[in-house]
Amino acid sequence: RKEVEQDPGPFNVPEGATVAFNCTYSNSASQSFFWYRQDCRKEPKLLMSVYSSGNEDGRFTAQLNRASQYISLLIRDSKLSDSATYLCVVTGPSGTYKYIFGTGTRLKVLA
Amino acid sequence: GAGVSQSPSNKVTEKGKDVELRCDPISGHTALYWYRQSLGQGLEFLIYFQGNSAPDKSGLPSDRFSAERTGGSVSTLTIQRTQQEDSAVYLCASSPGDRGRYTFGSGTRLTVV
Repeated sequence: RKEVEQDPGPFNVPEGATVAFNCTYSNSASQSFFWYRQDCRKEPKLLMSVYSSGNEDGRFTAQLNRASQYISLLIRDSKLSDSATYLCVVTGPSGTYKYIFGTGTRLKVLA
Repeated sequence: GAGVSQSPSNKVTEKGKDVELRCDPISGHTALYWYRQSLGQGLEFLIYFQGNSAPDKSGLPSDRFSAERTGGSVSTLTIQRTQQEDSAVYLCASSPGDRGRYTFGSGTRLTVV
């Protein structure tokens, strides 16, 4: 089983739609979780951290379910500019610094 | 600097040649990471530097790969006797400490022909 698994997509959605992605991770001792965004032929950029209680940043909401070992990202009112690949990132147990990246979920927002 | 700087941005090399990729992290960031991303694939961890500690080289795929970080700042990733399977984007990231969030450079796209 991969350490971090994501549905590769693509998810094709119309502008204004709500879309959600899930990501599962295998190490129950993982401590920190993030979503990164990667545009085509660009470097990944931090989108948001994921906190146990769930957190929101504008149109983006992230959730963590430790019991089921998954994190989610919800995008409301999708914009054309949201088209990108969304990378799920997990760190190891406390004291482990390496980020483990999922292969990403590709989102296309259509006009 | 304001961001993580990598050079060259693109490199085409012949199979069997050696290449050096450079990363200049954000000033003051003590942690530096190298990853690589093959076409359509996720990011693969290569090596990690933190301050003066011994680097974690556990992700280096073979002994043809090596990296150093001089003076706690600039890092060089060297690939000897390049093979076609080494073709990928090599990404460098730095963070303020070993728990900090990564900031990536724009990468070096390596093509081995």
